[in-house]
Amino acid sequence: RKEVEQDPGPFNVPEGATVAFNCTYSNSASQSFFWYRQDCRKEPKLLMSVYSSGNEDGRFTAQLNRASQYISLLIRDSKLSDSATYLCVVTGDSSYKLIFGSGTRLLVRP
Amino acid sequence: GAVVSQHPSRVICKSGTSVKIECRSLDFQATTMFWYRQFPKKSLMLMATSNEGSKATYEQGVEKDKFLINHASLTLSTLTVTSAHPEDSSFYICSARGGGTSGDNEQFFGPGTRLTVL
Repeated sequence: RKEVEQDPGPFNVPEGATVAFNCTYSNSASQSFFWYRQDCRKEPKLLMSVYSSGNEDGRFTAQLNRASQYISLLIRDSKLSDSATYLCVVTGDSSYKLIFGSGTRLLVRP
Repeated sequence: GAVVSQHPSRVICKSGTSVKIECRSLDFQATTMFWYRQFPKKSLMLMATSNEGSKATYEQGVEKDKFLINHASLTLSTLTVTSAHPEDSSFYICSARGGGTSGDNEQFFGPGTRLTVL
């Protein structure tokens, strides 16, 4: 079983749509959780950290369910510029070791 | 924000040659640098963790004699792919930890180096 699992997509949505991505992780000892965004042939960029209480940053909302080992990302009012691959990331055995999911691809069409 | 650079951004080489990739933290001192590899449509996989002045810690399955890592200063780490073969063709990305506004735990990624071995 992969340490971090994501639906690869692609999710093809119209502008303005709301889209949700899910992710599960296998290591119950993971302490920190993140969503990164990666554009084609570029490095990943931190989108937001994910906290147990849930957190929101503009159109983006992230949720963490430790009991189910499940992380989600909700994007509201999708923009064309949101088209990218979204990577679910958790820490591994140490707080600085990042474990990446293989990403969910989002395509926002006009 | 913290900036990490990588050089070269792209390299094409013949099988059997060695390739050196540099990773630099431009505006902060990186206590730890990380090297990742990403194959097409796959996740980033951590290859090794490098602390300044000490030997790198390699992940399981990564050959330390093939992927030589040097971290001689707090702003520079290098990855040398020795005797490269076509199966080493990949996107190599470094990250550096330390100096971010959100604390020392945030990792800042370089733009990556695309290696193609013919």
